[in-house]
Amino acid sequence: KAGVTQTPRYLIKTRGQQVTLSCSPISGHRSVSWYQQTPGQGLQFLFEYFSETQRNKGNFPGRFSGRQFSNSRSEMNVSTLELGDSALYLCASSLGAADYGYTFGSGTRLTVV
Amino acid sequence: SQQGEEDPQALSIQEGENATMNCSYKTSINNLQWYRQNSGRGLVHLILIRSNEREKHSGRLRVTLDTSKKSSSLLITASRAADTASYFCADRTSGSRLTFGEGTQLTVNP
Repeated sequence: KAGVTQTPRYLIKTRGQQVTLSCSPISGHRSVSWYQQTPGQGLQFLFEYFSETQRNKGNFPGRFSGRQFSNSRSEMNVSTLELGDSALYLCASSLGAADYGYTFGSGTRLTVV
Repeated sequence: SQQGEEDPQALSIQEGENATMNCSYKTSINNLQWYRQNSGRGLVHLILIRSNEREKHSGRLRVTLDTSKKSSSLLITASRAADTASYFCADRTSGSRLTFGEGTQLTVNP
């Protein structure tokens, strides 16, 4: 079956702009989580959506937002980009229950200049 | 912020040797998971061990969990050059988030 698909793979944006990243989970997976990976902070949890509802949220400013559609696809939006937002953004899908691992996409590499 | 710490930060071994990575965490967990990441790509789920389990095997992987010490270890036996990657532990507490360690960079030399 198809894996988790993230688009685009690479993105270059200018400070102050906004960006939208997309994630298509594995078919049947209702949970989609987003993580930010940077060399300095490592892997940090952004938020998780389950059946179109945000179920959990990390410690990121309100510039970071997301949503999930009825087909479980999810988007993440970052407004007013800052240089520090440059990172690899990873999406992970899961069936949603506690005892399952997550399947990650290949990520979107965002560079803010 | 990172909850756990991984030890060592970097490990270099020869093909055929065993590799052991350790992970510590700070709070009570539902389960602990190990992931592999190749060179800035996505993470691949390796193995999950529940809080009431002490040891688990999957192929060449063996994971142990010591909840009294809040620590886990990942052993890769008979390592191969293709095992070269970063390895992360991640604990899952209540809720659905994973809290990742800092990772161990494993290099297996042919």
